[in-house]
Amino acid sequence: KAGVTQTPRYLIKTRGQQVTLSCSPISGHRSVSWYQQTPGQGLQFLFEYFSETQRNKGNFPGRFSGRQFSNSRSEMNVSTLELGDSALYLCASSLRDRAYEQYFGPGTRLTVT
Amino acid sequence: AQKVTQAQTEISVVEKEDVTLDCVYETRDTTYYLFWYKQPPSGELVFLIRRNSFDEQNEISGRYSWNFQKSTSSFNFTITASQVVDSAVYFCALSEGLDSGTYKYIFGTGTRLKVLA
Repeated sequence: KAGVTQTPRYLIKTRGQQVTLSCSPISGHRSVSWYQQTPGQGLQFLFEYFSETQRNKGNFPGRFSGRQFSNSRSEMNVSTLELGDSALYLCASSLRDRAYEQYFGPGTRLTVT
Repeated sequence: AQKVTQAQTEISVVEKEDVTLDCVYETRDTTYYLFWYKQPPSGELVFLIRRNSFDEQNEISGRYSWNFQKSTSSFNFTITASQVVDSAVYFCALSEGLDSGTYKYIFGTGTRLKVLA
């Protein structure tokens, strides 16, 4: 089975721009979660989608949004980028929900200049 | 309050030594799950183990073993005869809120393990 894939792997954006990151979960997995990882804050939960519905959201501003498609693929969007948004963004898929183990993608390294 | 505490920020051991990574959690739920993940230098988190709150049996998988003690709210991870390839950041995580449906998946801050040859 193919693992979780994330595209692009690296991005450099300018402050004020917006960015869209993509995640393809493991086949058969219906739950997709997004995390932001930074050296200072560690792994912080952004949101989780299950069957195209956002089930839970972390404490991030509204500039961070996401969606899930009928094939379980997910995208997250960050608008009006700030320098502090520079981070590794990780996507994780799970069979059903977060009582199950999550399988992580390699992440997208976003640098905001 | 930190719900998952990994007090050891960084540990260095010499190859073949045993090492234990500590994890203390906090939850009011009766049903919850605990996990350990490994993040090698390549960056991709790898699932290691899941344990539910009703199963306190210790588990051994090769050189890895886990000790779950509800009485002390701890879920510690031991690597026996460590190897250089074990060098990574290890995260403990808690999944709670399953009874109410308001799932929360909370990671600890991680412990960086360095195994020296």
